[in-house]
Amino acid sequence: EAGVAQSPRYKIIEKRQSVAFWCNPISGHATLYWYQQILGQGPKLLIQFQNNGVVDDSQLPKDRFSAERLKGVDSTLKIQPAKLEDSAVYLCASRAGQGYQTQYFGPGTRLLVL
Amino acid sequence: QKEVEQNSGPLSVPEGAIASLNCTYSDRGSQSFFWYRQYSGKSPELIMSIYSNGDKEDGRFTAQLNKASQYVSLLIRDSQPSDSATYLCAENQPGNEKLTFGTGTRLTIIP
Repeated sequence: EAGVAQSPRYKIIEKRQSVAFWCNPISGHATLYWYQQILGQGPKLLIQFQNNGVVDDSQLPKDRFSAERLKGVDSTLKIQPAKLEDSAVYLCASRAGQGYQTQYFGPGTRLLVL
Repeated sequence: QKEVEQNSGPLSVPEGAIASLNCTYSDRGSQSFFWYRQYSGKSPELIMSIYSNGDKEDGRFTAQLNKASQYVSLLIRDSQPSDSATYLCAENQPGNEKLTFGTGTRLTIIP
């Protein structure tokens, strides 16, 4: 079974530029999460999708971050414009659905904002 | 604000000894707890989950949960250099399918 796929793996941009990350969850997984992990900290949830609907985006900085999950499969997270403090690893995770507790993480995208 | 607290370490343990990692949580409604291992530059991977008070063993790993004290721990027996990593504690509540992570404890096994 293929795991969670993410791209790109690394990205370097200048502040005020825009960037987008892509995630393909494990096949059949209904729930998809985007986390931000700043160096030395645990992952922080940004947004949670159930199929193609948003369940929780309370910690997503909506003035600059946006995310979508078209057709309930792949998802894209966008930052526009980026700030220095957005430098972090962006992790995508998926879960099978109701009754399944385990979240499986992708390899992450490491973003550096200069 | 739900919180999960961990000692950030670093925790150094001799090879072959028992490593003990601790985690406390603030929300008494939390019912599910998870330990993830994260190697440097890699993504978190699930080691153990625990839902009931008491101990749960899986190979060299034992998770312990004490809901009255709001305390979760992970014991690693016969520690190996390959166990050197950051260990993340996480919790969620019934009906709330998102994880709240602690900051992680960095563990180093000394050969």
